[in-house]
Amino acid sequence: QVQLQQWGAGLLKPSETLSLTCAVYGASFNNYYWSWIRQPPGKGLEWIGEINHSGSTDYNPSLKSRVTISLDTSKNQFSLKLNSVTAADTAVYYCVLSSNWRRGYFQHWGQGTLVTVSS
Amino acid sequence: EIVLTQSPATLSLSLGERATLSCRASQSVSSYLAWYQQKPGQAPRLLIYDASNRDTGIPARFSGSGSGKEFTLTISSLEAEDIAVYYCQQRSNWPPFTFGPGTKVDIK
Repeated sequence: QVQLQQWGAGLLKPSETLSLTCAVYGASFNNYYWSWIRQPPGKGLEWIGEINHSGSTDYNPSLKSRVTISLDTSKNQFSLKLNSVTAADTAVYYCVLSSNWRRGYFQHWGQGTLVTVSS
Repeated sequence: EIVLTQSPATLSLSLGERATLSCRASQSVSSYLAWYQQKPGQAPRLLIYDASNRDTGIPARFSGSGSGKEFTLTISSLEAEDIAVYYCQQRSNWPPFTFGPGTKVDIK
């Protein structure tokens, strides 16, 4: 059974860097794409970006200049960094997996981490 | 970027009624469309992929249809546990993968 457990700082000041990590259990890195998706309070879902097992990334053009997604295959973990955060980056952030044969369909979700940006 | 719109914004129905949710794409997404269910305080759950295929463990009362620009999610007989927000999402043209704004289903 695939399980995702995520963690990271929940309160940031404007201009700081958001950093989240997701550990994956029960899934092989080779079989999945690894994404981050966020959801501002009371609003809809926004895909941030993804990485595959070889380290190739795709990012949402609206966030590309500020985002880095990386992976650590030795620990079965992947991470999100978002630079220069503002209040508009306040959201619940989810780590998510989609399988190679259903790339872009998000089957497995982490529990979500609320990140609040406030001075 | 492909924009998805959903209607209605809120759907109020009685238990046992049929729910019909719509999703429209700004350009054709072929059949590369999914539907998700999100209950309060929970992560979304994949219901339907490729417009009409139920994901593992999804009850048969959920069905999807459509292609091109127009899609429908149908709940054949609404149950109390189906109260949630439903999102459509496309994977036809990326980046980015995009989601619709959601339809909230509640009990009349």
